[in-house]
Amino acid sequence: GAVVSQHPSRVICKSGTSVKIECRSLDFQATTMFWYRQFPKKSLMLMATSNEGSKATYEQGVEKDKFLINHASLTLSTLTVTSAHPEDSSFYICSALPWTENTEAFFGQGTRLTVV
Amino acid sequence: AQSVSQHNHHVILSEAASLELGCNYSYGGTVNLFWYVQYPGQHLQLLLKYFSGDPLVKGIKGFEAEFIKSKFSFNLRKPSVQWSDTAEYFCAVRTGGYQKVTFGTGTKLQVIP
Repeated sequence: GAVVSQHPSRVICKSGTSVKIECRSLDFQATTMFWYRQFPKKSLMLMATSNEGSKATYEQGVEKDKFLINHASLTLSTLTVTSAHPEDSSFYICSALPWTENTEAFFGQGTRLTVV
Repeated sequence: AQSVSQHNHHVILSEAASLELGCNYSYGGTVNLFWYVQYPGQHLQLLLKYFSGDPLVKGIKGFEAEFIKSKFSFNLRKPSVQWSDTAEYFCAVRTGGYQKVTFGTGTKLQVIP
């Protein structure tokens, strides 16, 4: 199946700093990528939908200035957590949707962010 | 907006028992339906998907799901579970015309040897 690579898998950062997470589709082009946040013992919450070459669409309650999303190419989307705080500590997962019809999105392995 | 409900949050079964996990969604239009599995420490993997056609869908590892449009349901089944099926299972729906996928809250399955 198609492969989505997410990097880094784990990151620890100091409060107030910014962290960038990359999501790459390795063997297909993805016009649309999604960023999710998974809280402990809870489901995946969609944060934003990222479309190549245009601004991301954020879900209600997600601060777009805090979670900057860039989808500069058909194989790469980045999520930058700006001025991170301990409450931003979470598991972030990206998924990429191939541009062909009737196909599922493929998920990255996730990034565990810990803000200290 | 669409929503997905998974009624069972934690299921414990003995090996060889049959499994059925419930999933209901709320959306009146065309839907694509998915079941994903997340094994401990691993990323989400697709078990099976429904786009159109035969409402009984067979997936990997002996899993199947049935789309019942009148009940807005897409329950996951397996006739005989194994210890290796211990994982968290997520039902998800994508509605026609939209790309985003909405997930249910997940069901943690624990299979006891």
